[in-house]
Amino acid sequence: GAVVSQHPSRVICKSGTSVKIECRSLDFQATTMFWYRQFPKKSLMLMATSNEGSKATYEQGVEKDKFLINHASLTLSTLTVTSAHPEDSSFYICSARSRQNYNSPLHFGNGTRLTVT
Amino acid sequence: AQTVTQSQPEMSVQEAETVTLSCTYDTSESDYYLFWYKQPPSRQMILVIRQEAYKQQNATENRFSVNFQKAAKSFSLKISDSQLGDAAMYFCAYRSGRRNAGGTSYGKLTFGQGTILTVHP
Repeated sequence: GAVVSQHPSRVICKSGTSVKIECRSLDFQATTMFWYRQFPKKSLMLMATSNEGSKATYEQGVEKDKFLINHASLTLSTLTVTSAHPEDSSFYICSARSRQNYNSPLHFGNGTRLTVT
Repeated sequence: AQTVTQSQPEMSVQEAETVTLSCTYDTSESDYYLFWYKQPPSRQMILVIRQEAYKQQNATENRFSVNFQKAAKSFSLKISDSQLGDAAMYFCAYRSGRRNAGGTSYGKLTFGQGTILTVHP
């Protein structure tokens, strides 16, 4: 089956530093990748949609300068949390849509737990 | 904009019994997909079942089945013969079937609030 690798699975950083999260589609090309944020026992909230070779589309209320998204290839999208603060601590999940199987369900990464101290 | 509502924050069931999780949604579209995802403590998102809106027949996957009522915009999940491994948070999700210009956001999922399912031995 299609596999999405998300790295790192856990990261602890100090306030004011930046953290990069990678989302890779291992055995398929992902035209579109979605980045979600999830607080404990809460739903997944879409942050942004990234498309290969173009600028990401951010959801209302999401700071694009805070959460930088790059989708440089058909297999890799990155989310960089810049100047992280404790309120950015959360669980971040990426998902990818297959270029080959347009209507197939999204494939999810295993998520990244970010803790900002 | 589409919305998905799960009105049961928590549910519990005895092992081997049946439980139904509720989900309603709001949309003006006629072409869409509905999903149920399971998120165990590992927080991995696992697809449980999928329903295409144009299909009248309810989807089934082994012990999991849905009751899709398109007119009522209801999409409940029934878990039969519940097992301890079914304990997780369950999310109902909506996806538009309409590709927007360039298809840039096609595939975007809108999730409900989630239902925490506890299975008692």
